Amino acid sequence: EAQVTQNPRYLITVTGKKLTVTCSQNMNHEYMSWYRQDPGLGLRQIYYSMNVEVTDKGDVPEGYKVSRKEKRNFPLILESPSPNQTSLYFCASSLDGTDTQYFGPGTRLTVL
Amino acid sequence: GQNIDQPTEMTATEGAIVQINCTYQTSGFNGLFWYQQHAGEAPTFLSYNVLDGLEEKGRFSSFLSRSKGYSYLLLKELQMKDSASYLCAVHGSSNTGKLIFGQGTTLQVKP
Repeated sequence: EAQVTQNPRYLITVTGKKLTVTCSQNMNHEYMSWYRQDPGLGLRQIYYSMNVEVTDKGDVPEGYKVSRKEKRNFPLILESPSPNQTSLYFCASSLDGTDTQYFGPGTRLTVL
Repeated sequence: GQNIDQPTEMTATEGAIVQINCTYQTSGFNGLFWYQQHAGEAPTFLSYNVLDGLEEKGRFSSFLSRSKGYSYLLLKELQMKDSASYLCAVHGSSNTGKLIFGQGTTLQVKP
C-alpha cells in the first residue's frame, strides 16, 4: 500500500530534550515536506526537500532541522524543544513537488 | 504578501448542497488544491485546478477563476461523513513545491 508513515504518533516531552520524528514514504517520491498545524493558523511549512541531500527552509524553520540522506526518509529533528513547538506535525510527499502532496497520519507533540 | 481566505465555519443539512469559497492573493500561482481533513487526521486530496473552469468528481466539484483569484468547492447530496474541515491550498511555486494553506473551513452537516 502506497503511504507516508510517521513515528511516533503521539509524544509528550520536556523542554530541551532532543527528539526526532521520523517520516518515510514508499512511493519513490522525490519531494518531501514537513508542516505544523496550529489552531487559527492552518498548515505552515517548516522544511522541504526536492531530492536526496537537497533541503530548504519553509515559512517557520526556526528550532527545527531536517536531513535527507535517502529518498524514502525525511526526519524532523528538534535539538532543544520548547513549549511553543507544541503542535500537530504532518509529513507529506509528492512525485516532484508540482503535483498532489500526500500526507502522513500526523504526530501530536506536546512540550512541557 | 501571501493571503488565502476561507470562511471559518459553515453549517448545512444532510442531502443539501454547500459551496465553500476561497480567495487568494499570492506572488505565484501554479494551481489550487482542495483537501478534506477530519479532526485529528491527515488532510486527504480532493481536487486540483490549474486552468479556469469547473472540475467535477462525483459529489464534489471545484471551480477556479485565476483572473479573480477565486475558487470554490461544491459538495452535493451532503452526507453526515462530510462533516470535516476543507482546506484550500495554492501551489505558489514550481521551484519549491510549496503549498500555501488557508486556515480551513469547518463544515458541520446536520440531520
